[in-house]
Amino acid sequence: EDQVTQSPEALRLQEGESSSLNCSYTVSGLRGLFWYRQDPGKGPEFLFTLYSAGEEKEKERLKATLTKKESFLHITAPKPEDSATYLCAVQAAGNTPLVFGKGTRLSVIA
Amino acid sequence: DADVTQTPRNRITKTGKRIMLECSQTKGHDRMYWYRQDPGLGLRLIYYSFDVKDINKGEISDGYSVSRQAQAKFSLSLESAIPNQTALYFCATSGPTEQFFGPGTRLTVL
Repeated sequence: EDQVTQSPEALRLQEGESSSLNCSYTVSGLRGLFWYRQDPGKGPEFLFTLYSAGEEKEKERLKATLTKKESFLHITAPKPEDSATYLCAVQAAGNTPLVFGKGTRLSVIA
Repeated sequence: DADVTQTPRNRITKTGKRIMLECSQTKGHDRMYWYRQDPGLGLRLIYYSFDVKDINKGEISDGYSVSRQAQAKFSLSLESAIPNQTALYFCATSGPTEQFFGPGTRLTVL
């Protein structure tokens, strides 16, 4: 069974304090790993798709990396507006629906 | 205009009532999904459809039904609502590389 585990469940950072969020996964043939940002009461907003180990993608203060067992979302010098829940999801080979983790709730304090 | 729209955005109803949540998308994608989100449980897949003639159950389909009226429209029904169906409901559509979510419907069953 495909599974996604995100850690930590919650993370509190001071503004400017860089850190990383972890997404560990088990999947029968990875087709893609997805990162989303979700603000309270709103729909998840797409950030990145990673397809193969070693791949990296960046967007502003966010950088996502992928290995064969996990992905990291690195946040460099975060700002309060980066506060949100970050969701990770995997898609197995065969175009099956995404399997989501429970998310990491990030709070950035000014 | 939003790529994925959901109506209503908020709904309060009583136990035993029939409820329909509607979703439409302008991305031109064949694949559509319904999820529910509960605190601490993450996003859980209710039903998904890979084209107009294809409907599949997700992990928590009991108590729900769906209708795919057209490529762009996918409705979720609660035939007889119960209080533990109180949640935030999201519709989504996916293309080859991304999945887009709607803004959500907050449903409260009293």
